[in-house]
Amino acid sequence: QVQLVQSGAEVKKPGASVKVSCKASGYTFTNYGLSWVRQAPGQGLEWMGWISTYNGNTNYAQKLQGRVTMTADTLTSTAYMELRSLRSDDTAVYYCARFYCSDGACYYNFDNWGQGTLVTISS
Amino acid sequence: SYEVTQPPSVSVSPGQTASITCSGDKLGDKYVCWYQQKPGQSPVLVIYQDTQRPSGIPERFSGSNSGNTAILTISGTQAMDEADYYCQAWASTTAPSFGGGTKLTVL
Repeated sequence: QVQLVQSGAEVKKPGASVKVSCKASGYTFTNYGLSWVRQAPGQGLEWMGWISTYNGNTNYAQKLQGRVTMTADTLTSTAYMELRSLRSDDTAVYYCARFYCSDGACYYNFDNWGQGTLVTISS
Repeated sequence: SYEVTQPPSVSVSPGQTASITCSGDKLGDKYVCWYQQKPGQSPVLVIYQDTQRPSGIPERFSGSNSGNTAILTISGTQAMDEADYYCQAWASTTAPSFGGGTKLTVL
């Protein structure tokens, strides 16, 4: 069965960086892109960006441009999201979620999600 | 970025029909998905590409999208359907956008 298993919770100081991993199994990794979505405590979902696991292309939300980098390792079927210059308002649960791509077209329906990684920013 | 708007809360009696709206400029020109999220859990896709239901999602969940409004309809609402629901709009030329979420209360 399809699984997206994320790395464990993190506590970081303001100004630091965090890197969250998302290991995929149960499907062909390069047939699906991966998106990252975060959810601040008690708040809604916020799309952060996506990566094509096929060719490494990325698209980031404008508000995170310059602070976020998404990568994917096809050998280990693992995607990574690094967020730099952390601030208190980056405290959130971070999710990876997959979407289907075929023949150069992608369908941004997030049909499987990781379990979430809580990142807490605290001095 | 493209904005979509949902009502913060909707209430429904068990067995009745719940309708949750999602509004945005020319939303009917985009695809809309709906996610269900229960406390402490990851979101679950319940409707994709406006009207499609993933395998395993009960038939009581249905969706529509036209003009400026998409609607998630839950027929014969059950207590287990109480959750937060998020719409998400996307198009080939538009980054995905989530609505603010709607808390569905079954009472």
